Amino acid sequence: GAVVSQHPSWVICKSGTSVKIECRSLDFQATTMFWYRQFPKQSLMLMATSNEGSKATYEQGVEKDKFLINHASLTLSTLTVTSAHPEDSSFYICSVQAAVPSSYNEQFFGPGTRLTVL
Amino acid sequence: RKEVEQDPGPFNVPEGATVAFNCTYSNSASQSFFWYRQDCRKEPKLLMSVYSSGNEDGRFTAQLNRASQYISLLIRDSKLSDSATYLCVVNSGGGADGLTFGKGTHLIIQP
Repeated sequence: GAVVSQHPSWVICKSGTSVKIECRSLDFQATTMFWYRQFPKQSLMLMATSNEGSKATYEQGVEKDKFLINHASLTLSTLTVTSAHPEDSSFYICSVQAAVPSSYNEQFFGPGTRLTVL
Repeated sequence: RKEVEQDPGPFNVPEGATVAFNCTYSNSASQSFFWYRQDCRKEPKLLMSVYSSGNEDGRFTAQLNRASQYISLLIRDSKLSDSATYLCVVNSGGGADGLTFGKGTHLIIQP
């Protein structure tokens, strides 16, 4: 499977500040990455699909102006939570699809970033 | 109706037992199916893909019933290290689509 890293692994910030989370595909070039969010005792929810060189595609209910996604290279996607508030506190996880295209499209996840907004 | 439904458990089983998880999905157009494992406060890790004919990987067997929109996972000879949350996951489209996750079934293997 793919090797994916995320940075930072955890962050605590004050309400109103912006936080940038990086997702890197370490062993292959990913034209598409995905961002998910997981609240305690809930399932992972897809937030957006990050496309290299073009605008991200956001899921219904996810504010694109609040969650800024930049996918400027084939190995890096960033998610910026702007003007963070306590309700944004969550576990943010990125993923990449399997390097070899297949009908199954397995995804491999980064270690996640735990965001706490005070 | 939730898109992917699982019994949340917890399932408490003794070491060495066989345990089965079930999952149903609502989108009949779904094309790819997976079981992921998630440990506490960690990211999900792919356990196995689920193929139409059913497939086995060591102690793990997955089955898919498209007509009933039902997926199962069987774990034989359970180990303490199998304790985790098992996520039923569906990809509803071809190409680069995000995954839809169930809430997970929590498994606790007791010595």
